[in-house]
Amino acid sequence: GAGVSQTPSNKVTEKGKYVELRCDPISGHTALYWYRQSLGQGPEFLIYFQGTGAADDSGLPNDRFFAVRPEGSVSTLKIQRTERGDSAVYLCASRASGGDEQFFGPGTRLTVL
Amino acid sequence: DAKTTQPPSMDCAEGRAANLPCNHSTISGNEYVYWYRQIHSQGPQYIIHGLKNNETNEMASLIITEDRKSSTLILPHATLRDTAVYYCIVRPPLTQGGSEKLVFGKGTKLTVNP
Repeated sequence: GAGVSQTPSNKVTEKGKYVELRCDPISGHTALYWYRQSLGQGPEFLIYFQGTGAADDSGLPNDRFFAVRPEGSVSTLKIQRTERGDSAVYLCASRASGGDEQFFGPGTRLTVL
Repeated sequence: DAKTTQPPSMDCAEGRAANLPCNHSTISGNEYVYWYRQIHSQGPQYIIHGLKNNETNEMASLIITEDRKSSTLILPHATLRDTAVYYCIVRPPLTQGGSEKLVFGKGTKLTVNP
């Protein structure tokens, strides 16, 4: 079956612009996660959704970052007033109810010039 | 979750066994050892996990020492496609109160050479 998909695969933007990154989880997966991965580092947790609600957003670095999952399926990570330090690969993962394994998408590489 | 220590890089010849170590000396009784790998330009992929007994699946084997303070992931016949960063994570499973957030270190960059 289809895995987690993320669009776009690459996004180049200018400092100060607004960006949206999309995640399509595996169909039927109730839990959805966003991680950020800087060059040479492991992924870092940003936010976790259970259904439509953000159950844990403790990893969001500041209030420029926001994520939604209005219908409990697709999620959008939104970054306002982007900064060069936001450049990273943004990874999305989903997990089935009752399961323990997170399935990751290929990520969106964000470059802020 | 307990902290893990892994070597930053390792090399292995194609067709040979790759043995990737992980130290987790502060592991708690209910924490399992999980291994993920991340091939270039892909997201992390689950490989295997275990509590104290050795585990094997179609991808790899996991050997956990008796005191559970370290473990080794074994790829029995490494191929070029096994070149990736391998992450060792220690945490309780979700059913035992484990956190939803996976905490990744820097992992081990395994290079399989022809």
